[in-house]
Amino acid sequence: DQQVKQNSPSLSVQEGRISILNCDYTNSMFDYFLWYKKYPAEGPTFLISISSIKDKNEDGRFTVFLNKSAKHLSLHIVPSQPGDSAVYFCAASEETSGSRLTFGEGTQLTVNP
Amino acid sequence: GAGVSQSPSNKVTEKGKDVELRCDPISGHTALYWYRQSLGQGLEFLIYFQGNSAPDKSGLPSDRFSAERTGGSVSTLTIQRTQQEDSAVYLCASRGGLGKVRAPLHFGNGTRLTVT
Repeated sequence: DQQVKQNSPSLSVQEGRISILNCDYTNSMFDYFLWYKKYPAEGPTFLISISSIKDKNEDGRFTVFLNKSAKHLSLHIVPSQPGDSAVYFCAASEETSGSRLTFGEGTQLTVNP
Repeated sequence: GAGVSQSPSNKVTEKGKDVELRCDPISGHTALYWYRQSLGQGLEFLIYFQGNSAPDKSGLPSDRFSAERTGGSVSTLTIQRTQQEDSAVYLCASRGGLGKVRAPLHFGNGTRLTVT
């Protein structure tokens, strides 16, 4: 039972354009969402998070949008840079789970110069 | 060190052998997690330690898997009688104290386990 899904295994964009990565979830108890970035041979690193009481959180070039009614969140990167090329994981947690994160399958983003 | 440290970085073992994977969390972090990532898959939760509480073992895939956390710091994940389907990258993560329950996890670089 995949509670967090990233339906696009890969995404390719041109440098300077917007990258939009999508994530869907099924567990209505999830109340905290995060995005992680992973380079090859490294562990995932935290990028940005959002609580379910918000619908948007912005940090520099990165913005996360949450649509609770649709159980959907997205990560926008603008402008995209070649150094953003990595695998992006969406993750979710619920308060009662001890902050255990449930991860999606990841999306490989490639930003072309 | 400043980050989560895992060893070894790579491990190749024969089917049926036991392996031990080690994790040194960030100093002072009370929560420690083990995840694994199989080829083409997302991160799969295995086990969670929080301070002196009983660990959450609900993600361990079989009784061949076990983990310990000694002295509230270093953790060892042990896989007995390894099988080829155990091949994956095993990731350890830690998080700050109870007051930071929603703080993000900090991951190590993982141990790539290959069972031949």
